[in-house]
Amino acid sequence: KNEVEQSPQNLTAQEGEFITINCSYSVGISALHWLQQHPGGGIVSLFMLSSGKKKHGRLIATINIQEKHSSLHITASHPRDSAVYICAVFSYNTDKLIFGTGTRLQVFP
Amino acid sequence: DGGITQSPKYLFRKEGQNVTLSCEQNLNHDAMYWYRQDPGQGLRLIYYSQIVNDFQKGDIAEGYSVSREKKESFPLTVTSAQKNPTAFYLCASSGPGVQGGNIQYFGAGTRLSVL
Repeated sequence: KNEVEQSPQNLTAQEGEFITINCSYSVGISALHWLQQHPGGGIVSLFMLSSGKKKHGRLIATINIQEKHSSLHITASHPRDSAVYICAVFSYNTDKLIFGTGTRLQVFP
Repeated sequence: DGGITQSPKYLFRKEGQNVTLSCEQNLNHDAMYWYRQDPGQGLRLIYYSQIVNDFQKGDIAEGYSVSREKKESFPLTVTSAQKNPTAFYLCASSGPGVQGGNIQYFGAGTRLSVL
């Protein structure tokens, strides 16, 4: 079993829809990252969370440390949001990032 | 602009050949990382370096080598011992985020294929 699980693996949506991507992890962490990878491969860090909730534009990330779960929400989705979204946790035991396999999001106009 | 530069974007390797992937950062970060990404799998750590002249093996170091002679540079060599080198390689560095804690910054990646 992977230490970081994401769901769903693939997601399609119509423009304007509210999107939720989930991440569950099984290790002790000091922080959780949400990353965005566009076609072509470059990765951008969207959020780093250790507790609570963060918002940046149409993106919202939440984390529940007790339940070892995080969600990434996209409000009013747009075709330019189409990308792979990756959850990664910073394990305080190993001091390294552990990555989920990603959620591929396609938003159609 | 500060960031991480990986080159080349695409690289082809012949059988038995060593190839070197370049990674340069001007973020003044101490820590740098190399990851490998295969279809349907999460990123896996190849090597990392917390400081100049020091580096550690990650989870899949076999067939790879690195050096860290300068803070700005962390080149990765894919040796002929790596039997399945076709993958997407990402370099990263970590440093303080705007809101505290350490955050990883990624390069644009190098796609390596075997001829």
